[in-house]
Amino acid sequence: AQRVTQPEKLLSVFKGAPVELKCNYSYSGSPELFWYVQYSRQRLQLLLRHISRESIKGFTADLNKGETSFHLKKPFAQEEDSAMYYCALSGTSGSRLTFGEGTQLTVNP
Amino acid sequence: AAGVIQSPRHLIKEKRETATLKCYPIPRHDTVYWYQQGPGQDPQFLISFYEKMQSDKGSIPDRFSAQQFSDYHSELNMSSLELGDSALYFCASSPFPLIGRSNTGELFFGEGSRLTVL
Repeated sequence: AQRVTQPEKLLSVFKGAPVELKCNYSYSGSPELFWYVQYSRQRLQLLLRHISRESIKGFTADLNKGETSFHLKKPFAQEEDSAMYYCALSGTSGSRLTFGEGTQLTVNP
Repeated sequence: AAGVIQSPRHLIKEKRETATLKCYPIPRHDTVYWYQQGPGQDPQFLISFYEKMQSDKGSIPDRFSAQQFSDYHSELNMSSLELGDSALYFCASSPFPLIGRSNTGELFFGEGSRLTVL
């Protein structure tokens, strides 16, 4: 079974402050991890994936297999980062994406 | 660019009625996924189709059925609706299935169909 946990439902930071959205997973095989984002009144969209090792909109996420974590980080949060963020997992043996509960990030001016 | 289109955007039904949701994937995407998101909950995987065949099945109730047609659009049929079926139903598409692929994973989501059961 695959499971994704995001311990924080709500996260509020001030503009310019660092932000970290936590994600832990459980999966017996070798997972593929993603972060999806949903801005207000927009559709869910991919933010970044661990295999790409990319930085998107200043966000990065490192897969830590030892801690089974895939935390999303940004050194300086911006107001336009306010959104719902979902961590998601895809197992190589299946086609589904399993989502975490989501973290609502609010960046205050 | 064309995105995933879902219809209707909003639907209100009474208990025990039936409802049909439609999903039109991005052109040349042959895999469709259906997710259900209840209030304050994460999206739950229901079912997926690849090349018009069911490719994976999640927590889809027996009262629900779905299929993918020759033009790759998909329909989710829900019968004997219950209050608990009230949710946002997302459809997503991808150009190929995730099974065994290590360089994919991006799902392109529609805006969702909000079903309210009274």
